[in-house]
Amino acid sequence: EPEVTQTPSHQVTQMGQEVILRCVPISNHLYFYWYRQILGQKVEFLVSFYNNEISEKSEIFDDQFSVERPDGSNFTLKIRSTKLEDSAMYFCASSSRLAGTSGANVLTFGAGSRLTVL
Amino acid sequence: AQKVTQAQTEISVVEKEDVTLDCVYETRDTTYYLFWYKQPPSGELVFLIRRNSFDEQNEISGRYSWNFQKSTSSFNFTITASQVVDSAVYFCALSGRRGNLFFGTGTRLTVIP
Repeated sequence: EPEVTQTPSHQVTQMGQEVILRCVPISNHLYFYWYRQILGQKVEFLVSFYNNEISEKSEIFDDQFSVERPDGSNFTLKIRSTKLEDSAMYFCASSSRLAGTSGANVLTFGAGSRLTVL
Repeated sequence: AQKVTQAQTEISVVEKEDVTLDCVYETRDTTYYLFWYKQPPSGELVFLIRRNSFDEQNEISGRYSWNFQKSTSSFNFTITASQVVDSAVYFCALSGRRGNLFFGTGTRLTVIP
């Protein structure tokens, strides 16, 4: 069964360092998402990406965050200068259609990348 | 604005008991989708079910069943004859207009052998 692959599974970094989290979405999917989950809390939307541009972002997704699809397969989330409060599990997801539209498909999530900022 | 409320923070049941997880949602959209995801201890998010706002037919799939009631904005999820492997955090989610999902705070289910 096709799956979304995320690397690394766990990254530990020092505050202020840049971090890049990588995702390989399902190959025929067109919509890509990043979500995060602070330990013990709910899953929160960060950003959605379609046609090589951000289609929506949340308040959490400030100037410290950026996303990129550098080639035909990878989808990355960069945190420019990490803060302690960025420690969380980051989930990548993809879908073939917008989740909110008629005939919508389901978001398939990756296994997550746990980021620990010291 | 979209909002999902899962009032039950934690539930414990003994194996083979039935358990219902509650979900109440708020949205101004006339067309929307509701989802249940399972997060086992390993951490991944596993899709369980999707329902659109026009389909109030409830369904049973194996040990899982869903009760969608638009009149009360509820989308409850029932596991019959629970098993230890059902122990996980269960998230209810509502779709946004642009494809993002709004998750509830989750219900941690513990099935005791």
